[in-house]
Amino acid sequence: DTAVSQTPKYLVTQMGNDKSIKCEQNLGHDTMYWYKQDSKKFLKIMFSYNNKELIINETVPNRFSPKSPDKAHLNLHINSLELGDSAVYFCASSQQGSRPNYGYTFGSGTRLTVV
Amino acid sequence: AQSVSQHNHHVILSEAASLELGCNYSYGGTVNLFWYVQYPGQHLQLLLKYFSGDPLVKGIKGFEAEFIKSKFSFNLRKPSVQWSDTAEYFCAVNVVVGRSQGNLIFGKGTKLSVKP
Repeated sequence: DTAVSQTPKYLVTQMGNDKSIKCEQNLGHDTMYWYKQDSKKFLKIMFSYNNKELIINETVPNRFSPKSPDKAHLNLHINSLELGDSAVYFCASSQQGSRPNYGYTFGSGTRLTVV
Repeated sequence: AQSVSQHNHHVILSEAASLELGCNYSYGGTVNLFWYVQYPGQHLQLLLKYFSGDPLVKGIKGFEAEFIKSKFSFNLRKPSVQWSDTAEYFCAVNVVVGRSQGNLIFGKGTKLSVKP
Protein backbone atom coordinates (compact mmCIF):
# COMPACT_ATOMS: atom_id res chain seq x y z
CA ASP A 1 0.00 0.00 0.00
CA THR A 2 1.30 3.45 -0.91
CA ALA A 3 1.72 5.52 2.23
CA VAL A 4 1.12 8.94 0.63
CA SER A 5 -0.62 8.87 -2.71
CA GLN A 6 -1.27 11.75 -5.07
CA THR A 7 -3.43 11.93 -8.13
CA PRO A 8 -3.01 12.69 -10.90
CA LYS A 9 0.67 12.04 -11.56
CA TYR A 10 0.64 14.33 -14.60
CA LEU A 11 -1.68 17.23 -15.30
CA VAL A 12 -1.62 19.37 -18.44
CA THR A 13 -4.10 22.21 -18.60
CA GLN A 14 -4.71 25.59 -20.17
CA MET A 15 -4.20 28.95 -18.55
CA GLY A 16 -7.23 30.19 -16.70
CA ASN A 17 -8.56 26.76 -15.81
CA ASP A 18 -9.29 25.55 -12.29
CA LYS A 19 -7.80 22.23 -11.23
CA SER A 20 -7.41 20.05 -8.15
CA ILE A 21 -4.74 17.64 -7.01
CA LYS A 22 -5.71 14.99 -4.49
CA CYS A 23 -3.58 13.60 -1.69
CA GLU A 24 -4.30 10.78 0.71
CA GLN A 25 -2.18 9.24 3.45
CA ASN A 26 -2.79 5.96 5.21
CA LEU A 27 -0.16 6.39 7.91
CA GLY A 28 -2.45 7.84 10.52
CA HIS A 29 -0.38 11.03 10.58
CA ASP A 30 -1.93 14.16 11.99
CA THR A 31 -0.25 16.74 9.77
CA MET A 32 -0.17 17.10 6.00
CA TYR A 33 1.72 19.44 3.71
CA TRP A 34 1.97 20.71 0.18
CA TYR A 35 5.34 21.59 -1.33
CA LYS A 36 6.09 23.13 -4.72
CA GLN A 37 9.24 22.15 -6.59
CA ASP A 38 10.14 24.60 -9.32
CA SER A 39 12.15 24.05 -12.48
CA LYS A 40 15.37 24.61 -10.52
CA LYS A 41 14.40 21.81 -8.12
CA PHE A 42 13.87 24.22 -5.23
CA LEU A 43 11.35 22.85 -2.72
CA LYS A 44 9.17 25.41 -1.04
CA ILE A 45 6.46 24.76 1.50
CA MET A 46 3.04 26.03 0.54
CA PHE A 47 0.79 24.82 3.35
CA SER A 48 0.84 22.73 6.45
CA TYR A 49 -2.38 21.50 8.01
CA ASN A 50 -3.40 19.46 10.99
CA ASN A 51 -6.68 19.10 12.76
CA LYS A 52 -5.96 22.25 14.68
CA GLU A 53 -4.75 24.79 12.22
CA LEU A 54 -3.87 25.66 8.67
CA ILE A 55 -0.60 27.47 8.19
CA ILE A 56 -0.20 29.21 4.88
CA ASN A 57 3.10 30.37 3.46
CA GLU A 58 2.44 34.05 2.91
CA THR A 59 4.07 33.99 -0.51
CA VAL A 60 1.50 31.55 -1.89
CA PRO A 61 -1.11 33.30 -4.07
CA ASN A 62 -4.66 33.03 -2.80
CA ARG A 63 -5.56 31.21 -6.04
CA PHE A 64 -4.20 28.17 -4.20
CA SER A 65 -6.38 26.69 -1.50
CA PRO A 66 -6.00 23.46 0.47
CA LYS A 67 -9.09 21.49 1.31
CA SER A 68 -9.14 18.76 3.91
CA PRO A 69 -12.32 16.65 4.10
CA ASP A 70 -10.71 14.56 6.86
CA LYS A 71 -7.31 14.07 8.46
CA ALA A 72 -6.23 11.53 5.87
CA HIS A 73 -6.76 13.86 2.92
CA LEU A 74 -5.39 17.23 1.90
CA ASN A 75 -6.35 18.28 -1.59
CA LEU A 76 -4.92 21.26 -3.42
CA HIS A 77 -7.25 23.40 -5.46
CA ILE A 78 -5.88 25.96 -7.88
CA ASN A 79 -7.99 28.67 -9.51
CA SER A 80 -7.20 30.60 -12.67
CA LEU A 81 -4.04 28.71 -13.48
CA GLU A 82 -1.06 30.70 -14.75
CA LEU A 83 2.02 29.66 -16.71
CA GLY A 84 4.16 30.20 -13.61
CA ASP A 85 2.21 27.57 -11.73
CA SER A 86 3.91 24.88 -13.81
CA ALA A 87 5.91 22.80 -11.35
CA VAL A 88 5.95 19.51 -9.49
CA TYR A 89 3.72 19.52 -6.42
CA PHE A 90 4.50 17.15 -3.58
CA CYS A 91 2.20 16.17 -0.78
CA ALA A 92 3.70 14.95 2.51
CA SER A 93 2.58 13.90 5.95
CA SER A 94 4.08 13.61 9.42
CA GLN A 95 3.09 12.90 13.00
CA GLN A 96 3.71 15.71 15.44
CA GLY A 97 5.40 15.00 18.72
CA SER A 98 6.78 11.59 17.81
CA ARG A 99 10.47 12.48 17.95
CA PRO A 100 12.72 10.54 17.29
CA ASN A 101 10.41 8.72 14.93
CA TYR A 102 9.44 12.00 13.39
CA GLY A 103 9.87 12.41 9.68
CA TYR A 104 8.04 13.39 6.56
CA THR A 105 6.73 10.85 4.09
CA PHE A 106 6.36 12.27 0.59
CA GLY A 107 4.02 11.37 -2.20
CA SER A 108 5.32 10.70 -5.68
CA GLY A 109 4.48 14.17 -6.94
CA THR A 110 2.16 15.71 -9.51
CA ARG A 111 3.78 17.35 -12.51
CA LEU A 112 1.55 20.27 -13.48
CA THR A 113 2.08 21.88 -16.87
CA VAL A 114 0.11 24.99 -17.75
CA VAL A 115 0.00 25.82 -21.45
CA ALA B 1 13.40 32.45 10.13
CA GLN B 2 15.66 29.48 9.73
CA SER B 3 17.37 28.77 6.44
CA VAL B 4 19.40 25.96 4.94
CA SER B 5 22.41 26.45 2.68
CA GLN B 6 23.88 23.83 0.41
CA HIS B 7 27.18 25.03 -0.90
CA ASN B 8 27.49 23.00 -4.05
CA HIS B 9 25.00 23.36 -6.85
CA HIS B 10 26.41 20.59 -9.05
CA VAL B 11 29.04 18.02 -8.18
CA ILE B 12 30.56 15.74 -10.81
CA LEU B 13 32.52 12.69 -9.69
CA SER B 14 33.89 9.52 -11.17
CA GLU B 15 32.79 6.17 -9.79
CA ALA B 16 34.64 5.14 -6.62
CA ALA B 17 35.43 8.75 -5.71
CA SER B 18 34.57 9.95 -2.23
CA LEU B 19 31.69 12.35 -1.72
CA GLU B 20 31.06 15.15 0.71
CA LEU B 21 28.12 17.52 0.30
CA GLY B 22 27.98 20.54 2.53
CA CYS B 23 24.94 21.73 4.46
CA ASN B 24 24.65 24.58 6.94
CA TYR B 25 21.60 25.85 8.73
CA SER B 26 20.79 29.00 10.61
CA TYR B 27 18.97 28.44 13.89
CA GLY B 28 20.37 28.46 17.39
CA GLY B 29 17.87 26.13 19.05
CA THR B 30 17.00 22.47 18.80
CA VAL B 31 16.64 21.11 15.29
CA ASN B 32 16.03 17.88 13.46
CA LEU B 33 18.25 17.37 10.43
CA PHE B 34 17.60 15.33 7.32
CA TRP B 35 19.09 14.39 4.00
CA TYR B 36 16.75 13.40 1.19
CA VAL B 37 17.59 12.05 -2.24
CA GLN B 38 15.56 12.51 -5.41
CA TYR B 39 16.44 10.21 -8.28
CA PRO B 40 15.58 11.52 -11.76
CA GLY B 41 11.83 11.72 -12.20
CA GLN B 42 11.10 10.33 -8.77
CA HIS B 43 9.92 11.55 -5.40
CA LEU B 44 11.93 12.38 -2.32
CA GLN B 45 13.34 9.52 -0.30
CA LEU B 46 14.85 9.82 3.15
CA LEU B 47 18.56 8.96 3.28
CA LEU B 48 19.15 9.63 6.96
CA LYS B 49 18.10 11.83 9.85
CA TYR B 50 19.51 13.19 13.06
CA PHE B 51 17.54 14.00 16.19
CA SER B 52 19.95 13.59 19.08
CA GLY B 53 22.75 11.40 20.42
CA ASP B 54 25.69 10.26 18.31
CA PRO B 55 26.41 13.10 15.87
CA LEU B 56 27.57 10.62 13.23
CA VAL B 57 24.50 9.20 11.59
CA LYS B 58 24.47 6.28 9.21
CA GLY B 59 21.80 6.04 6.56
CA ILE B 60 20.83 3.86 3.66
CA LYS B 61 22.99 2.99 0.65
CA GLY B 62 26.26 3.63 2.48
CA PHE B 63 25.63 7.30 3.21
CA GLU B 64 26.47 8.96 6.50
CA ALA B 65 26.31 12.47 7.87
CA GLU B 66 27.97 14.28 10.73
CA PHE B 67 26.26 16.90 12.84
CA ILE B 68 28.68 19.55 14.08
CA LYS B 69 26.66 21.79 16.34
CA SER B 70 29.35 24.47 16.69
CA LYS B 71 29.45 24.88 12.93
CA PHE B 72 25.69 24.49 12.37
CA SER B 73 26.60 21.89 9.78
CA PHE B 74 25.28 18.51 8.71
CA ASN B 75 27.47 17.34 5.83
CA LEU B 76 26.66 14.21 3.86
CA ARG B 77 29.40 11.73 3.00
CA LYS B 78 29.93 8.52 1.12
CA PRO B 79 33.35 6.86 0.80
CA SER B 80 32.85 5.51 -2.71
CA VAL B 81 30.09 6.65 -5.04
CA GLN B 82 28.43 4.59 -7.74
CA TRP B 83 26.81 5.61 -11.01
CA SER B 84 23.45 4.80 -9.41
CA ASP B 85 24.02 7.60 -6.88
CA THR B 86 23.38 10.15 -9.62
CA ALA B 87 20.54 12.21 -8.18
CA GLU B 88 19.58 15.46 -6.50
CA TYR B 89 20.38 15.65 -2.78
CA PHE B 90 18.50 17.88 -0.38
CA CYS B 91 19.42 18.86 3.13
CA ALA B 92 16.45 19.80 5.33
CA VAL B 93 15.92 21.15 8.81
CA ASN B 94 13.02 21.67 11.11
CA VAL B 95 12.84 23.42 14.43
CA VAL B 96 11.76 21.65 17.60
CA VAL B 97 9.85 23.62 20.22
CA GLY B 98 8.65 21.46 23.07
CA ARG B 99 6.74 18.59 21.50
CA SER B 100 6.04 20.52 18.31
CA GLN B 101 8.01 20.09 15.13
CA GLY B 102 8.17 23.01 12.74
CA ASN B 103 7.80 22.73 9.00
CA LEU B 104 10.60 21.10 7.07
CA ILE B 105 12.75 23.70 5.34
CA PHE B 106 14.88 22.52 2.43
CA GLY B 107 18.16 23.67 0.99
CA LYS B 108 18.27 24.36 -2.73
CA GLY B 109 19.69 20.94 -3.46
CA THR B 110 22.93 19.60 -4.89
CA LYS B 111 22.92 17.73 -8.14
CA LEU B 112 25.34 14.81 -8.10
CA SER B 113 26.46 13.36 -11.42
CA VAL B 114 28.60 10.22 -11.25
CA LYS B 115 30.50 9.27 -14.38
CA PRO B 116 30.87 5.53 -15.03
